[in-house]
Amino acid sequence: DAGITQSPRHKVTETGTPVTLRCHQTENHRYMYWYRQDPGHGLRLIHYSYGVKDTDKGEVSDGYSVSRSKTEDFLLTLESATSSQTSVYFCAISDWTGSGNTIYFGEGSWLTVV
Amino acid sequence: DQQVKQNSPSLSVQEGRISILNCDYTNSMFDYFLWYKKYPAEGPTFLISISSIKDKNEDGRFTVFLNKSAKHLSLHIVPSQPGDSAVYFCAARTSGSRLTFGEGTQLTVNP
Repeated sequence: DAGITQSPRHKVTETGTPVTLRCHQTENHRYMYWYRQDPGHGLRLIHYSYGVKDTDKGEVSDGYSVSRSKTEDFLLTLESATSSQTSVYFCAISDWTGSGNTIYFGEGSWLTVV
Repeated sequence: DQQVKQNSPSLSVQEGRISILNCDYTNSMFDYFLWYKKYPAEGPTFLISISSIKDKNEDGRFTVFLNKSAKHLSLHIVPSQPGDSAVYFCAARTSGSRLTFGEGTQLTVNP
């Protein structure tokens, strides 16, 4: 298993509160990603990072911000949680070098906004 | 604008038979394609991939076929086993190291 740890794994929060999800990797991979999974939509990219302090938006970035101050940590923040952000969030990492290129996913963080 | 589409939300096959999962894409700039498998309450795991310069890649029971002219990708599982029951996602990569995923297909293999 790729060395990816997501925290918290489960969270219930109220509408309007800020929430931060953390992704920690031990693989020293350059690229880190945050995806959300929703029925009928598959996995959609929220934000990604291609290095420390280098981040970019994905296809569903509205309402989310990210930070990467260290290679190993990638934080996803919901500034003011809404019910539409109830979802399963997956962190992923990659270095895209060599053969067998792929990205590796964490186990997910289940977020419920009530 | 869904650039990667899996038009079958579900597929049911008998154990021992072939499972064929399909994926269509619209962006001709995709240079690399992957399949992931996902069990409930777990993260997706990588299954097999193919570069756009190839038309077939095989790994044990799993074979991926790429038809660039049709912008179509398929995953064949032979023989199918009950443990293959999962959601399968196809994904495509453009430059910049971003993956775009399809909606997923739930495969059920019946004993």
